[in-house]
Amino acid sequence: GIQVEQSPPDLILQEGANSTLRCNFSDSVNNLQWFHQNPWGQLINLFYIPSGTKQNGRLSATTVATERYSLLYISSSQTTDSGVYFCAVEFSYNTDKLIFGTGTRLQVFP
Amino acid sequence: DGGITQSPKYLFRKEGQNVTLSCEQNLNHDAMYWYRQDPGQGLRLIYYSQIVNDFQKGDIAEGYSVSREKKESFPLTVTSAQKNPTAFYLCASSEQGSGANVLTFGAGSRLTVL
Repeated sequence: GIQVEQSPPDLILQEGANSTLRCNFSDSVNNLQWFHQNPWGQLINLFYIPSGTKQNGRLSATTVATERYSLLYISSSQTTDSGVYFCAVEFSYNTDKLIFGTGTRLQVFP
Repeated sequence: DGGITQSPKYLFRKEGQNVTLSCEQNLNHDAMYWYRQDPGQGLRLIYYSQIVNDFQKGDIAEGYSVSREKKESFPLTVTSAQKNPTAFYLCASSEQGSGANVLTFGAGSRLTVL
C-alpha cells in the first residue's frame, strides 16, 4: 500500500493566500522532513519534524506522530514559494532510508 | 561555501553506453545518497553509503553502480543494463546515515538517453 501520501497533488494560489499541505504516513517514524523543490530542481530542507510543531518565518509544520500525519502551513504566500513540496519519512522498521511522497505542486500567481 | 556539487548538469547518452555522474561534498558528512526522480514523481533511492568503502542498495539499484573511495566523493555509474535511464538524478549527504539527520541535496544531473 501507499506508504507516504501527500495531498493535495496540485494547488494554485494567488499571492497573499494561506495554504495547508498534508502528509499521511503508514507506520511509526523516526524521522520526517519537509523539502521544497524549486522550478530548477534544487531541493531545500524546510523542516526536520518527527513530532511537534516548528516555525520558520511564514512557514510552520506540525507532526502528530500518533495519528500518522504531518501538516505544512504556508502563510501569506509569495511567487517564490512556487515549486513542489515533498514530505519524506524514515520508518522505525526500516532505518537509514528516507521514503519520499509524490509531492504537492504549488503555483503562486501575482 | 560548503555544499554538494554534482556534474554534469545535463548529459546526453546513446543507448548502450555507460555514463558516470559525479557527486562531491565538502560538508564533512559521513553519509551520501543517490536518488532518481522521474517527471511528476517523488524521489526513489538508488544507493547509499554511510562510510568510506561501504555502500548499500536502495530500492531501485538494478542497472546502477557506485563507489565510495573517499569521504567527499560518491560517483554513480548508469550502466547499459538500466532499461530506462532518462531521469533527474539527485545526490544528497547527511552527517550520519540514520535518525535525526537532515539531508542536504546537490543541484541534480539531468540524463537523457537518445
